[in-house]
Amino acid sequence: DAGITQSPRHKVTETGTPVTLRCHQTENHRYMYWYRQDPGHGLRLIHYSYGVKDTDKGEVSDGYSVSRSKTEDFLLTLESATSSQTSVYFCAISEPREGEAQYFGPGTRLTVL
Amino acid sequence: SQKIEQNSEALNIQEGKTATLTCNYTNYSPAYLQWYRQDPGRGPVFLLLIRENEKEKRKERLKVTFDTTLKQSLFHITASQPADSATYLCARRLTGTASKLTFGTGTRLQVTL
Repeated sequence: DAGITQSPRHKVTETGTPVTLRCHQTENHRYMYWYRQDPGHGLRLIHYSYGVKDTDKGEVSDGYSVSRSKTEDFLLTLESATSSQTSVYFCAISEPREGEAQYFGPGTRLTVL
Repeated sequence: SQKIEQNSEALNIQEGKTATLTCNYTNYSPAYLQWYRQDPGRGPVFLLLIRENEKEKRKERLKVTFDTTLKQSLFHITASQPADSATYLCARRLTGTASKLTFGTGTRLQVTL
């Protein structure tokens, strides 16, 4: 998985609780992304980062925030988890070159009860 | 909106045959399309990129075509094997961005003996 780890790999939580997912890379890639994957929707971009402390929203960012204080770590926070945020979350990395491939982590399965 | 559409129905083929998967896009022709493979419970893995000025790209048993008139990319696996069974995702770059992608929902390929 191209030097990308995600933690936790599985999490069950209750509605209304905050949740933080962590993505860690050892590739020193500048760009990092958070996606969610749901049946019938495919991969959808939540947030991405183009450098330390530089982040921007994706297409489904409501209810999520991110932080990147170091090149290697990108955190995704669900401020108050809802059942609609039950999903599989993937982190990805890439270099900032046109057409560059994205390399994905193993995913985190989150269930919000 | 800039959509990617893939056939959501699974494709079942016999070992040794050529599998052909379709990716259709809307609106502006993307600068490039990318193809990924995803196995159950794993993150997507990059396979190939084809740029809009390229008609065809090959890598071992894989071939990708890009037809800007039809707004379509075809992904071929020749001499298919059971190990090729997976879901294949098509992705396009979002216009005006350097590295943000939008993904199709993927097509599941099942290769049987």
